[in-house]
Amino acid sequence: AQSVTQLDSQVPVFEEAPVELRCNYSSSVSVYLFWYVQYPNQGLQLLLKYLSGSTLVKGINGFEAEFNKSQTSFHLRKPSVHISDTAEYFCAVSDTGRNQGGKLIFGQGTELSVKP
Amino acid sequence: DVKVTQSSRYLVKRTGEKVFLECVQDMDHENMFWYRQDPGLGLRLIYFSYDVKMKEKGDIPEGYSVSREKKERFSLILESASTNQTSMYLCASASMTGELFFGEGSRLTVL
Repeated sequence: AQSVTQLDSQVPVFEEAPVELRCNYSSSVSVYLFWYVQYPNQGLQLLLKYLSGSTLVKGINGFEAEFNKSQTSFHLRKPSVHISDTAEYFCAVSDTGRNQGGKLIFGQGTELSVKP
Repeated sequence: DVKVTQSSRYLVKRTGEKVFLECVQDMDHENMFWYRQDPGLGLRLIYFSYDVKMKEKGDIPEGYSVSREKKERFSLILESASTNQTSMYLCASASMTGELFFGEGSRLTVL
């Protein structure tokens, strides 16, 4: 069975500081990896995804993530955060098998709070 | 612009009532999902559907059922609502690469 662990439930950070949101997963099969963001009172939207190829993935709003197969991690980073990045961030995994499209396992979420 | 629309943003129901949550997508996606979101638990899959009239249980199907009569519409049904079903419900459809597109959510309170 697959699982996802987001190591920090809350991350407070000052504006313009760098941030890293940590995500570890477990799976016995090949995986696809995703980061989603949820702004207050909204649904989730995709930040970035790893399907194959380069292990460094760039997403929207200046975020990037690195897939590390040996450490089973997919940490999300941004070199300089803005107040508008305040939101909840979810890491998710799915296997690459047929008919698994969209059947994601989500982590518990990390609340990023950017302070002025 | 792609869109997943959930019929109700906020609902308040009483214990024992039947509740319908409706979801419509305009992307011609085959796969659709219902998740439940609770603080500290992330998103948990209730049911999903890979085709019209097909459904499969997710991780927490107890107390829920679903209906998919048309490709674009996926409904979640609570036959007899209970207080422990107070939650945020999120509908999503999936592209061929597995990217989920979410609706804005339906926040259900059961009194």
